[in-house]
Amino acid sequence: AQSVTQLGSHVSVSEGALVLLRCNYSSSVPPYLFWYVQYPNQGLQLLLKYTSAATLVKGINGFEAEFKKSETSFHLTKPSAHMSDAAEYFCAVTYTGNQFYFGTGTSLTVIP
Amino acid sequence: EAGVAQSPRYKIIEKRQSVAFWCNPISGHATLYWYQQILGQGPKLLIQFQNNGVVDDSQLPKDRFSAERLKGVDSTLKIQPAKLEDSAVYLCASSPGTRSNEQFFGPGTRLTVL
Repeated sequence: AQSVTQLGSHVSVSEGALVLLRCNYSSSVPPYLFWYVQYPNQGLQLLLKYTSAATLVKGINGFEAEFKKSETSFHLTKPSAHMSDAAEYFCAVTYTGNQFYFGTGTSLTVIP
Repeated sequence: EAGVAQSPRYKIIEKRQSVAFWCNPISGHATLYWYQQILGQGPKLLIQFQNNGVVDDSQLPKDRFSAERLKGVDSTLKIQPAKLEDSAVYLCASSPGTRSNEQFFGPGTRLTVL
């Protein structure tokens, strides 16, 4: 089945350290890929999206992600973690624009 | 621009009762989605509307869940009767409808079934 896999349900980093959240998709069909963030008791907010233009995508709040077709990956990174980055992060994929598949999420904890 | 509105924000009911959730998408957005997000999981699509027609309802438990989008704007999701396993956050999202467009999410309705 076409889907996304997020490795690591929980990630902890120190404030100021590199953030790396992993996402792999499973399909040979070119996808559209998204990263969303969810703060407690809120809906999902788009961080960034890949739509077959540049493979390195820059998003809000200093996040970026690189689409690597050879690795079927779309990992999310941020050079320096901030306390306000603590949240749940979801990777999502669509191939048709009709069905969106979400990963199971990664909870990011930032340690002061 | 106003975001996606949902109500109520919280609902507690007993099993076998009925419940309804309401969603008002962003003005002009043709596509509307209802998701179920169980604690610790990613959102799961229940139903997708394009204007007032259903595009995908393959994961909607039709024996107890129903949804409508009359006039292609607001939408209502109903559960009748509710089961314990229906406890979740129900998210509504909308998008302009083109293939690469992001979805804009509402704050969700947290349902607790006792």
